[in-house]
Amino acid sequence: GAVVSQHPSWVICKSGTSVKIECRSLDFQATTMFWYRQFPKQSLMLMATSNEGSKATYEQGVEKDKFLINHASLTLSTLTVTSAHPEDSSFYICTVRSGHEQYFGPGTRLTVT
Amino acid sequence: TQLLEQSPQFLSIQEGENLTVYCNSSSVFSSLQWYRQEPGEGPVLLVTVVTGGEVKKLKRLTFQFGDARKDSSLHITAAQPGDTGLYLCAGASQGAQKLVFGQGTRLTINP
Repeated sequence: GAVVSQHPSWVICKSGTSVKIECRSLDFQATTMFWYRQFPKQSLMLMATSNEGSKATYEQGVEKDKFLINHASLTLSTLTVTSAHPEDSSFYICTVRSGHEQYFGPGTRLTVT
Repeated sequence: TQLLEQSPQFLSIQEGENLTVYCNSSSVFSSLQWYRQEPGEGPVLLVTVVTGGEVKKLKRLTFQFGDARKDSSLHITAAQPGDTGLYLCAGASQGAQKLVFGQGTRLTINP
C-alpha cells in the first residue's frame, strides 16, 4: 500500500492566524488526494478532493476560501486553514487512493486557542 | 446520497468473547474497506472486499461482503485487549473516487 506522511503532526495556533498542513505520498504518485477532518470520538468527514494541477473539489458546507488546498505536485498536497478559530480545532487527515483502497496519513492535530 | 450504517456504535466486552460489527447500506458498492484507528493516529487499512459473498480472514478477524454488495460484517473471535480501537467501514461506488464512511464502532476489550 501507499505510504503517506503529514506535517506537522500537531500544531497549536492563535485565533486569527493561518496554519498550513502538508500531506506527502512517499512511494506513490497521487493525482488525487483527499482531506478529512475528524472530531473527537466521531467518524471521518470528507472535506475536499485535491486534484493535482487543478482546483480542489469541496464537499457541501466546506468553505473553500477558509480551507485552501493546493496540489502542486504528484506527491504533495497542502491544506491551509486561514483565519483559524477555536471551532476549527480538529484532527485533519489526508489520504491517497490506490485502486480500490485509500491509505491514510497519520493525521495532524490542530488546536486553535 | 449513499449512506453506510454501522452498528453497534459502541461495544464493550470481556477478553475472550466473540463479537460482530455490521455495516449496511441500501446502495451497491464496488468495494468495501475496513479500517482500524487508534487514538491520535490515522486509520489503518485492514482489508478490502470486492466480490459479493467474499470472505477474508486476518488472524482472528473474519470479514464478509454481502452477496448483493450492500453490506459487510467484521467478526472477531476471542477478542483481546489489543483489539481495542475504532473500527470503520468505507465503501466505494463504481467509478467514484470518494469513499463513504460508516459512523464507526468504538470497541473496548476489557482484560
